[in-house]
Amino acid sequence: DTGVSQDPRHKITKRGQNVTFRCDPISEHNRLYWYRQTLGQGPEFLTYFQNEAQLEKSRLLSDRFSAERPKGSFSTLEIQRTEQGDSAMYLCASSLGITSTDTQYFGPGTRLTVL
Amino acid sequence: KNEVEQSPQNLTAQEGEFITINCSYSVGISALHWLQQHPGGGIVSLFMLSSGKKKHGRLIATINIQEKHSSLHITASHPRDSAVYICAATSGTYKYIFGTGTRLKVLA
Repeated sequence: DTGVSQDPRHKITKRGQNVTFRCDPISEHNRLYWYRQTLGQGPEFLTYFQNEAQLEKSRLLSDRFSAERPKGSFSTLEIQRTEQGDSAMYLCASSLGITSTDTQYFGPGTRLTVL
Repeated sequence: KNEVEQSPQNLTAQEGEFITINCSYSVGISALHWLQQHPGGGIVSLFMLSSGKKKHGRLIATINIQEKHSSLHITASHPRDSAVYICAATSGTYKYIFGTGTRLKVLA
């Protein structure tokens, strides 16, 4: 399967713990996006990368959140000192990076539950 | 007020009915996307529109740039069409700005 993959698919953690999610984009895609989706809502933008450069971060991405894409391939999203409000589906997407209207291809998401 | 709004939020239809989901946006856009999300999270792109109309099987998407409005139509609906349908705008930056989604249930 050559689609976008995310790991883990589910994560349950206790408040205050750190968690890290991984996203592997489609191999030739230069752009990688992170979104967060809470129950009953549409996804909200968190951040995106063009190759290894993080070009935009949402105000939603507090100091407890950090994302990296060290070699322009896979990306990680880390949440430190998790809070119950962080419980959500974290979605990763990738696109070719040719135009601003590139279709984004989504991974299956990582569902985070903070107890 | 959200930059991208959808209506209705929930929709129940009988198999075979013609379905319309509406999307309005307040930002200038470079493209409008329609996506489908099944339970469990997976999101699939259905259409990308910058003008006019596109058709794929029983799905039709239209956009009116002047009125800042787009519609997704499903003809001869089927229970397998049950999903959440989301519109999203791209407006100069690369990120998607999503609507809240329309939860569709088609009854047999």
